[in-house]
Amino acid sequence: DADVTQTPRNRITKTGKRIMLECSQTKGHDRMYWYRQDPGLGLRLIYYSFDVKDINKGEISDGYSVSRQAQAKFSLSLESAIPNQTALYFCATSRGQGVRNEQFFGPGTRLTVL
Amino acid sequence: AQSVTQPDIHITVSEGASLELRCNYSYGATPYLFWYVQSPGQGLQLLLKYFSGDTLVQGIKGFEAEFKRSQSSFNLRKPSVHWSDAAEYFCAVGEDSSYKLIFGSGTRLLVRP
Repeated sequence: DADVTQTPRNRITKTGKRIMLECSQTKGHDRMYWYRQDPGLGLRLIYYSFDVKDINKGEISDGYSVSRQAQAKFSLSLESAIPNQTALYFCATSRGQGVRNEQFFGPGTRLTVL
Repeated sequence: AQSVTQPDIHITVSEGASLELRCNYSYGATPYLFWYVQSPGQGLQLLLKYFSGDTLVQGIKGFEAEFKRSQSSFNLRKPSVHWSDAAEYFCAVGEDSSYKLIFGSGTRLLVRP
């Protein structure tokens, strides 16, 4: 079984709908991240969490919210989806402090907002 | 501010040929540098990383990269490409005191039979 899983893998929704993307990990890592990937832009950080009680905004958090329900679960919500949130979304995890610790990525969720 | 530039959007090579993917970074101190690969339908997988020491680093799948401070570059190389190497490759830079990785825009590698 994969160490970092994301559900759903694909989702098509309409403008204005609320959407939740879920991430679960079995690696026992304390840190979790949400990124979005757009063609030609690489990955950009949306939110990150160092533990269940520590959640922080990344560089593009507007229009998104997150919830760390447990050490193993980190959900990303789009309260009112808009077309420019169409992208590939990745969850990642790492252990410990600092960028030296490898981030492990889930398979991604492809979201289309019509 | 830190930044990463991957000047090649697409590269096509023949199977068995050598490969070099370019990465340039902007960062004031010694950076921590990474190369990730994203195969179709998959998440990102770490190929190799450089923190300090020997400027030529070896990674998985036969890849290597060389850190050149004078050129602010961290180019990825492979002496002989296999069809299974077709994927998108991302260079990233980070600082030790931070959690944050800055990713380049990626280079898509196509492999001709």
